[in-house]
Amino acid sequence: ILNVEQSPQSLHVQEGDSTNFTCSFPSSNFYALHWYRWETAKSPEALFVMTLNGDEKKKGRISATLNTKEGYSYLYIKGSQPEDSATYLCAFISDNYGQNFVFGPGTRLSVLP
Amino acid sequence: ETGVTQTPRHLVMGMTNKKSLKCEQHLGHNAMYWYKQSAKKPLELMFVYSLEERVENNSVPSRFSPECPNSSHLFLHLHTLQPEDSALYLCASSPLAGTRNTQYFGPGTRLTVL
Repeated sequence: ILNVEQSPQSLHVQEGDSTNFTCSFPSSNFYALHWYRWETAKSPEALFVMTLNGDEKKKGRISATLNTKEGYSYLYIKGSQPEDSATYLCAFISDNYGQNFVFGPGTRLSVLP
Repeated sequence: ETGVTQTPRHLVMGMTNKKSLKCEQHLGHNAMYWYKQSAKKPLELMFVYSLEERVENNSVPSRFSPECPNSSHLFLHLHTLQPEDSALYLCASSPLAGTRNTQYFGPGTRLTVL
């Protein structure tokens, strides 16, 4: 059974603060990692698909890095805004498991105005 | 209408009922997915369809029966469910079934089994 962990489970930050959180996954047989943002009462929204060790991706104030050798990915939010409040999910895909996306439990971010 | 839609948004059913969840995508994608999110658990992949053929079934009980009549529609037929099947059921689609493709999710159906 593949284990994907995310930390912290939740966090509260003030508007304007920068923050980051972690997705940890097995370091063997890496194929791809997805990041999603899931706002309450909305659909999960894709942020990044990361495939190569050392990948860095950016979308506005949000960026992500990937280290497949040690099995982690960081998601960074610069200058958090209240609209960034959401649960951030990562999904790990191992080439041993074909189509199987293994999701982490998520990090719930609350940005206080 | 654009994106991925799901109906109904909420469903309450008894253990002996038969019901179906519907998903429709207007993105021209060739792959569709069913996910389940139970309370306090991570999102779990249930089924994957690529070009209307099922390519993945993650050991889901037979009381859940998927159907993909064409690349735009996906159904999840439910029968003889248990209270522990109460969950949020999400549908998603992607251009192709490869796991490096971005998935686009619907809003989900909140299912309660009494």
